[in-house]
Amino acid sequence: DAKTTQPNSMESNEEEPVHLPCNHSTISGTDYIHWYRQLPSQGPEYVIHGLTSNVNNRMASLAIAEDRKSSTLILHRATLRDAAVYYCILKTSYDKVIFGPGTSLSVIP
Amino acid sequence: NAGVTQTPKFQVLKTGQSMTLQCAQDMNHEYMSWYRQDPGMGLRLIHYSVGAGITDQGEVPNGYNVSRSTTEDFPLRLLSAAPSQTSVYFCASSYSWGPNYGYTFGSGTRLTVV
Repeated sequence: DAKTTQPNSMESNEEEPVHLPCNHSTISGTDYIHWYRQLPSQGPEYVIHGLTSNVNNRMASLAIAEDRKSSTLILHRATLRDAAVYYCILKTSYDKVIFGPGTSLSVIP
Repeated sequence: NAGVTQTPKFQVLKTGQSMTLQCAQDMNHEYMSWYRQDPGMGLRLIHYSVGAGITDQGEVPNGYNVSRSTTEDFPLRLLSAAPSQTSVYFCASSYSWGPNYGYTFGSGTRLTVV
């Protein structure tokens, strides 16, 4: 079973920030939190990952709770191209990675 | 820079036929894996490899075989296709199996077994 839980779906208005939550209450100290997204009819693509500190890149920001039992992917200004399924996964040292069903994000013009 | 290349993009098989889904990467990645994705579901791990000559089973390995003779290639073989294997198949690679490395995915192979 996936080690993370995410809402099945979320909606956002275009050009507004989006906060996608992920719970991972059984996370261990060496697990990295990774986020991927899958646009319709495409393969998943890497978005961002982190261990303890918040992370920023050109696509998004990752906010990690102090106890690391949850995290939030932040899209600063949603565009129509951001409509996708977003997967939050835990990557454990040298172990298999399980993807859950993810969060389907809809962006309303 | 091609990344991860999967061929074919689409395939229709009859029940009982065999075929090989190809996956190649040009990034010198050690880790490669195969996932299947069924409608409305996440990705399920079929097989993975941590380097040439080393493979292991994932969540749903039954009905599939793999081998890894080179770093670049990781083919997935269906020995006797069944309708339950109708799915979209994704190949992914990573520089290392370690947790600090992200995956690069291919664009997928859509397989229909009739």
